[in-house]
Amino acid sequence: ELKVEQNPLFLSMQEGKNYTIYCNYSTTSDRLYWYRQDPGKSLESLFVLLSNGAVKQEGRLMASLDTKARLSTLHITAAVHDLSATYFCAVDTRGSNYKLTFGKGTLLTVNP
Amino acid sequence: DADVTQTPRNRITKTGKRIMLECSQTKGHDRMYWYRQDPGLGLRLIYYSFDVKDINKGEISDGYSVSRQAQAKFSLSLESAIPNQTALYFCATSDPAGEETQYFGPGTRLLVL
Repeated sequence: ELKVEQNPLFLSMQEGKNYTIYCNYSTTSDRLYWYRQDPGKSLESLFVLLSNGAVKQEGRLMASLDTKARLSTLHITAAVHDLSATYFCAVDTRGSNYKLTFGKGTLLTVNP
Repeated sequence: DADVTQTPRNRITKTGKRIMLECSQTKGHDRMYWYRQDPGLGLRLIYYSFDVKDINKGEISDGYSVSRQAQAKFSLSLESAIPNQTALYFCATSDPAGEETQYFGPGTRLLVL
């Protein structure tokens, strides 16, 4: 059974600081996704990572994938208040018929 | 207009009642999914459908049923609602020809009294 663990689950940081959210998964994956959810809203796709060493960046967010370590990271650079949200990683595998398994999410709060 | 829509957006019902949540999409995707979200538990898959004739149980299908009326429509039913089905429900779609990114609807907030 595929398991996806995120840490930390709660992250409070100050504007201007850097931090990293980690996503570990238990079996070989085919794709790893990062989503953002604002309070009371739906999930918005941020990144799709398809291969070992993949790195994608959008604004202050950068995601990377190490398939050998079964680890993805979401790095936040110089955080701003607008980045406050819950961030989910999700993994699918050919063996699971490409169903997504989500982590529990990281609630990020960026304080002025 | 939104690509994935859900109705109703909010629903309050009583224990034992049958209710249906509806999902429609204009993205032309074959694959559709129903999830529930509970605080601290992330999203869990209830049912998924890879085309009109293909419906599969997900991680937590007990107490739920689905109907895929057309490529664009996928409905979730609670046959006899119970309080622990109180949750936020999301429908999603994906395209197997692409990166399989799932696109989520706005969600239905359900309260079972």
